[in-house]
Amino acid sequence: AQTVTQSQPEMSVQEAETVTLSCTYDTSESDYYLFWYKQPPSRQMILVIRQEAYKQQNATENRFSVNFQKAAKSFSLKISDSQLGDAAMYFCAYRRGYGGATNKLIFGTGTLLAVQP
Amino acid sequence: DVKVTQSSRYLVKRTGEKVFLECVQDMDHENMFWYRQDPGLGLRLIYFSYDVKMKEKGDIPEGYSVSREKKERFSLILESASTNQTSMYLCASSLWGVPGANVLTFGAGSRLTVL
Repeated sequence: AQTVTQSQPEMSVQEAETVTLSCTYDTSESDYYLFWYKQPPSRQMILVIRQEAYKQQNATENRFSVNFQKAAKSFSLKISDSQLGDAAMYFCAYRRGYGGATNKLIFGTGTLLAVQP
Repeated sequence: DVKVTQSSRYLVKRTGEKVFLECVQDMDHENMFWYRQDPGLGLRLIYFSYDVKMKEKGDIPEGYSVSREKKERFSLILESASTNQTSMYLCASSLWGVPGANVLTFGAGSRLTVL
């Protein structure tokens, strides 16, 4: 069975600095997708970034980028120029790439990021 | 601009009560999901549905049931609420059949307390 591990329950970063959140996963599949979701306090969970396993290039969305190491089964999220609005719980998630509609996302336990002014 | 709406943000119920959590999406998504979120455990899938009247068990279905009579609505039912079902419940939806998609759109969550 696939598992997703986030080993950092809490992180803290100074405003304008860079922070990296770690995620590792375990799978025997070769085709899959990885996601980072953000859950701000008392607000809806939203997608931050997505990575297809078959793509070697790391995904980037503005200040958010990933370091995808397929062989090491590692998928870290880097937040550059951290802003107060980045304070949130961040979840790493895995989805098998084939199998159609019934594929489900498997989530890690989350990392709570605090941004210090 | 709200796309996935959960009917109640906060509920307080008594042990043994029947509880309904409602979720409505306006994006014409085929897939709908109910997750439970607990500190230190992340999100765990309770049930999901990929079509009207279709449902599949997730990882922790015990003590829950679901109903999907219309495409836009997915209900989670606690037949007899227990204190260990105190939690945050998240509804989500996604498209079907788009390769590489399955990006979930979440509702705001329903925090249930069972006394």
